[in-house]
This record gives sequence, C-alpha cells and structure tokens, in this order.
Amino acid sequence: DAKTTQPTSMDCAEGRAANLPCNHSTISGNEYVYWYRQIHSQGPQYIIHGLKNNETNEMASLIITEDRKSSTLILPHATLRDTAVYYCIVRGPSTGANNLFFGTGTRLTVIP
Amino acid sequence: DAGVTQSPTHLIKTRGQQVTLRCSPKSGHDTVSWYQQALGQGPQFIFQYYEEEERQRGNFPDRFSGHQFPNYSSELNVNALLLGDSALYLCASSLLQTNGNTIYFGEGSWLTVV
Repeated sequence: DAKTTQPTSMDCAEGRAANLPCNHSTISGNEYVYWYRQIHSQGPQYIIHGLKNNETNEMASLIITEDRKSSTLILPHATLRDTAVYYCIVRGPSTGANNLFFGTGTRLTVIP
Repeated sequence: DAGVTQSPTHLIKTRGQQVTLRCSPKSGHDTVSWYQQALGQGPQFIFQYYEEEERQRGNFPDRFSGHQFPNYSSELNVNALLLGDSALYLCASSLLQTNGNTIYFGEGSWLTVV
C-alpha cells in the first residue's frame, strides 16, 4: 500500500475551515484514501474516504487531486471538539479487509 | 457511536499473566481486526478474523492469539504479559470486502502491565 505524508501539527481558529493536506505520491489506481481522527484516549473515528472523485458528508469534505497524488481533508467550520490527531491512510485490494496502516498523523489544534 | 463494543475498558495485569479482551462488531459486520496502540504512536495491526479463522497477521509474536465466534464477536488473548504490552487495544469491524469498505473502531481496552 502507498505510504502517506502529513504535516506533524496544524492550528486552526475556531469557526474557520481546517484544511489538512496529505501526500500519497505512490498511490495506485485502485487504492482508496481514508481519513480517520483520534481524540485523546478514544478509538479512531471514521471521517470519510474516496477513490477519485471529491466526497462530502456531514463531517467533512475530501478533495483528491486529479493525479491522485495528494488530497485535502476540509472541516468547514472547526470547533474545539475537532482538536484531534488526523490520519490519512491509503488502502487497496492487496490489504486485508481491516488492515489499515496508520502513520503519525497530523495533530490539529483548534484555537478559541 | 461506531457500534463496535469492547470490554473491559481498563485493566491492570502483572507480568507473566494472561489477558483476554473482547469485542462485539457493528451489527451486520462479519470481519474483526485487532490493533495495538502504544502511548504516543499510531495503531498497529495485530490480526484479522473472518469466518472464525485468522486471515491476516501483523508483526506480532505468537503470544498474541485470537478467536472469532459464530456470532462474529471476537477475543484477543495475550499470554506471558510483558511490560511492553501496556497499550490501548482496539477492535475494528467491517464487512469482508477487499476495497472501499468502511471500517469502524471501538473505544478500546486500556491494558496496563505492572
């Protein structure tokens, strides 16, 4: 599976959009991009995933570049409860059904 | 709420002892995986169970074993506990589908080995 690169940490003002980047330059055509977040001492929370097209749900939007080598997770109006570690994970058919490789993620701090 | 239930929430064991952790997957899911998360690190894949068999395994010693029951629930067993086994143990569930499925995690079981 393709590995990902994320910034170690980011800050975002409360109420503003948080844009979290992820590079996955070696991604294959059949590999999905997944985003999870983990609030301190809790299990990872699924946010969103996509293959080629941009995706949006009630939590966030996922923007994938046309060449699929990078993506951005957008939290449209960040709140203090969005402070967490955000993981970008690339996963494809060569992986087992539930085998996700977590890197170090981005620690997002939402500032009042 | 992801619908994945784990127990116990916290436990303390002594070196050399054995521990069993339990997981009930989200309703409708048939595949369960276990992860270990040491303090300050990301979760690491231990193994995956489907149809009551271990299907895939990460880089963990044989002291780590598991079981899946006909109702899809699962147990993680760790024998001969070491201090380094202290971690958050996470259960993840999904439908067996090799690509594009959604995987949900439980809140985890905190294990402290003293």
